[in-house]
Amino acid sequence: ETGVTQTPRHLVMGMTNKKSLKCEQHLGHNAMYWYKQSAKKPLELMFVYNFKEQTENNSVPSRFSPECPNSSHLFLHLHTLQPEDSALYLCASSQVTSGSWNEQFFGPGTRLTVL
Amino acid sequence: QKEVEQNSGPLSVPEGAIASLNCTYSDRGSQSFFWYRQYSGKSPELIMFIYSNGDKEDGRFTAQLNKASQYVSLLIRDSQPSDSATYLCAADSGGGADGLTFGKGTHLIIQP
Repeated sequence: ETGVTQTPRHLVMGMTNKKSLKCEQHLGHNAMYWYKQSAKKPLELMFVYNFKEQTENNSVPSRFSPECPNSSHLFLHLHTLQPEDSALYLCASSQVTSGSWNEQFFGPGTRLTVL
Repeated sequence: QKEVEQNSGPLSVPEGAIASLNCTYSDRGSQSFFWYRQYSGKSPELIMFIYSNGDKEDGRFTAQLNKASQYVSLLIRDSQPSDSATYLCAADSGGGADGLTFGKGTHLIIQP
């Protein structure tokens, strides 16, 4: 595997279900991100992890719960979602060091539909 | 509130011509700027980034930055039908691991 991978690629869930999205980066980066992309809206930052520590939670509802067990893996745990949470969820990674410019590389995304 | 503004388009350009995509940003503290290309149903792909005033060229692509005017642009020379996509402009305030602030994107159509 190369780059940033995400599973599953598509997910349909009911409002009472619990599911998890998985992201893995094979780039040796030290920072990982979750973004949400909805139709007609800009990409919205959800969470930032730098060296496995959460450094930003962009006012995301508690029904979204991130987990970063190590610098290569990132999860987004979902529970009691709403239909308006249907969107493309994108994971990204970057190498944040002195002199770097935070070039973020995206995975293919998970298309989530909440019924 | 950090914002990045782009004209959503669609911007229609004949094949072989120069496509010009523009972006403005509100946060004067933004230090670096990124252009991503996103095909329908796919994830954003990084094309190039710029952090110094002036032009930066990479193949058929040229990024331009004017910090005084808070303006970023992307020029695509010799446009090809395969360049048809949505182009996202993003700004980074710098200082470590930050989420990027994205614009809504400009839908570019290259007419054969």
